[in-house]
Amino acid sequence: KAGVTQTPRYLIKTRGQQVTLSCSPISGHRSVSWYQQTPGQGLQFLFEYFSETQRNKGNFPGRFSGRQFSNSRSEMNVSTLELGDSALYLCASSLWGAQYFGPGTRLLVL
Amino acid sequence: DAKTTQPNSMESNEEEPVHLPCNHSTISGTDYIHWYRQLPSQGPEYVIHGLTSNVNNRMASLAIAEDRKSSTLILHRATLRDAAVYYCILKRGDAGGTSYGKLTFGQGTILTVHP
Repeated sequence: KAGVTQTPRYLIKTRGQQVTLSCSPISGHRSVSWYQQTPGQGLQFLFEYFSETQRNKGNFPGRFSGRQFSNSRSEMNVSTLELGDSALYLCASSLWGAQYFGPGTRLLVL
Repeated sequence: DAKTTQPNSMESNEEEPVHLPCNHSTISGTDYIHWYRQLPSQGPEYVIHGLTSNVNNRMASLAIAEDRKSSTLILHRATLRDAAVYYCILKRGDAGGTSYGKLTFGQGTILTVHP
């Protein structure tokens, strides 16, 4: 079975722009979660989607949003990018509790 | 969220067993104990999880104390590829036994494996 895929893998944006990241879960997984990883803050939970509904949300500003489609694919969007948004964004899909992570999208904001 | 406490770092020699401890004294009855690891330049990788009984899989074993206030991840024979940051995480479960909810990562334990 193919693992979790994330696109793009690398991205460079400038302050004020917006960005959309995509995640394709493992086939059959209906839950998708997003995390941000930075050297200073470590791994932090952004949000979780299950059957197209946001089920959990972390402590991030409203500039961070997400959605899930009927095929369980998910996107996250960050509007009005700030320098501090530079990070590795990880997506994970889950089945029976275990979460399986993708390789991440590395975002650099200049 | 209930917190976990892990040593900052541990060292092991190749082909020796490794016991990674985790304390979670405020665990609730519906919290599952999860272990993940993150190798350099990769996303986290699921290792194992359990609720009350000890668990084994091809990667590791999870030993859970009777009072559930602590647990130990056991790597039976460490290899160089096991060098990673290991995270012990409590994850809320529902009455149906399928855990859901966010993973709250701490600092984890940096495991160094010497050849």
